[in-house]
Amino acid sequence: ETGVTQSPTHLIKTRGQQVTLRCSSQSGHNTVSWYQQALGQGPQFIFQYYREEENGRGNFPPRFSGLQFPNYSSELNVNALELDDSALYLCASSSGAGGRETQYFGPGTRLLVL
Amino acid sequence: AQSVTQPDIHITVSEGASLELRCNYSYGATPYLFWYVQSPGQGLQLLLKYFSGDTLVQGIKGFEAEFKRSQSSFNLRKPSVHWSDAAEYFCAVKGDSWGKFQFGAGTQVVVTP
Repeated sequence: ETGVTQSPTHLIKTRGQQVTLRCSSQSGHNTVSWYQQALGQGPQFIFQYYREEENGRGNFPPRFSGLQFPNYSSELNVNALELDDSALYLCASSSGAGGRETQYFGPGTRLLVL
Repeated sequence: AQSVTQPDIHITVSEGASLELRCNYSYGATPYLFWYVQSPGQGLQLLLKYFSGDTLVQGIKGFEAEFKRSQSSFNLRKPSVHWSDAAEYFCAVKGDSWGKFQFGAGTQVVVTP
């Protein structure tokens, strides 16, 4: 069974640029959630995708957007990068959404915005 | 709105000693509760979860947690800590509807020889 994978592992961008992060969900999972973890803090929910539709969103501006593909992999896109976007971005996959859902996390992508 | 509080930012424990990490939550109904562990530069690994039933749940790596509804708590325990348990631990709560997990700020555990 393959776990959750994310790419790239590290990324350096400059303010104003755009970035795309990728996530492959665990085998058998159809739901992907994205989190932002700033240094020294807990993960903050960005949004969730269930069967290719956005299924909920946290307090993040519209320049954070996402996609989920038919194979349930997902992308997180961030436009107009700001210095505060520097963080570890975590993807989690699960089977179903809502109810007794358990999320399994990937290793994360560390983004540095200069 | 749901929330999670981990009162201890940092705990230092001797190898072989017991460990207890505190977690308090705020949620209007019966929550689903989780503990995750994060090693430096890594993602989060699930230690254990509570959905319903027996309020004492067993997890991986010798960890257990007890759900106490009256105290709105879900504390994590381990009887004897190993050096490899040094990491950051996160408590999370989830409601019954869509999949937003609310995480606490984490507790950093340092294990001394």
